[in-house]
Amino acid sequence: QSALTQPASVSGSPGQSITISCTGTSSDVGAYDYVSWFQHHPGKAPKLMIWDVIVRPSGVSNRFSGSKSGNTASLTISGLQAEDEADYYCSSFTSDSTWVFGGGTKLTVL
Amino acid sequence: QVQLVESGGGVVQPGRSLRLSCAASGFTFSNYGMHWVRQAPGKGLEWVAMISYDGSRKDYVDSVKGRFTISRDNSKNTLFLQMSSLRSEDTAVFYCAKDRGLDYGMEVWGPGTTVTVS
Repeated sequence: QSALTQPASVSGSPGQSITISCTGTSSDVGAYDYVSWFQHHPGKAPKLMIWDVIVRPSGVSNRFSGSKSGNTASLTISGLQAEDEADYYCSSFTSDSTWVFGGGTKLTVL
Repeated sequence: QVQLVESGGGVVQPGRSLRLSCAASGFTFSNYGMHWVRQAPGKGLEWVAMISYDGSRKDYVDSVKGRFTISRDNSKNTLFLQMSSLRSEDTAVFYCAKDRGLDYGMEVWGPGTTVTVS
């Protein structure tokens, strides 16, 4: 049950695009399409942004998109806006029938 | 709309017990799996436990197995987390989260309740 690997921080200027990676193993990210991404503003409830690798819940901006290749999933945010500044976490189902999160990525909008 | 509200957090001494509750509304509680997730101070999110819609299946992260018990009362739309033999490393904000279905991943989260073991 090791945490998925995410970069500790990423940054970008308004209007730019950024991508956050989430690397796991063949027992989690590589084995299932049950990969989700959450946006977390400190002190608030985390918000689901992407589920099943690529699906965007209703109400989430189409600037957010997800993908996966092998053991690595990615979240791309295009047209960065100030309100996108937050912590982002990936999660995946595992072969142990448990769930695992990434260590989190702090997004700074410059 | 879906609403989850955790309660029961507080300050507790090491080795003692605490029970968290999560009151659910806005959806048919008995149709969905439910999760507990925690965030220690300065750390990332950590999945803690999941219970199936009918309570027949329960899964836990290794670090809490044998100490924490997840349960639910579908008649009262309430999720529980019974925590025993608490350690300082259990200090965290605990969130309950509704699953998208049976066990497909967390969807809607509550605001969290803080547990301090000291």
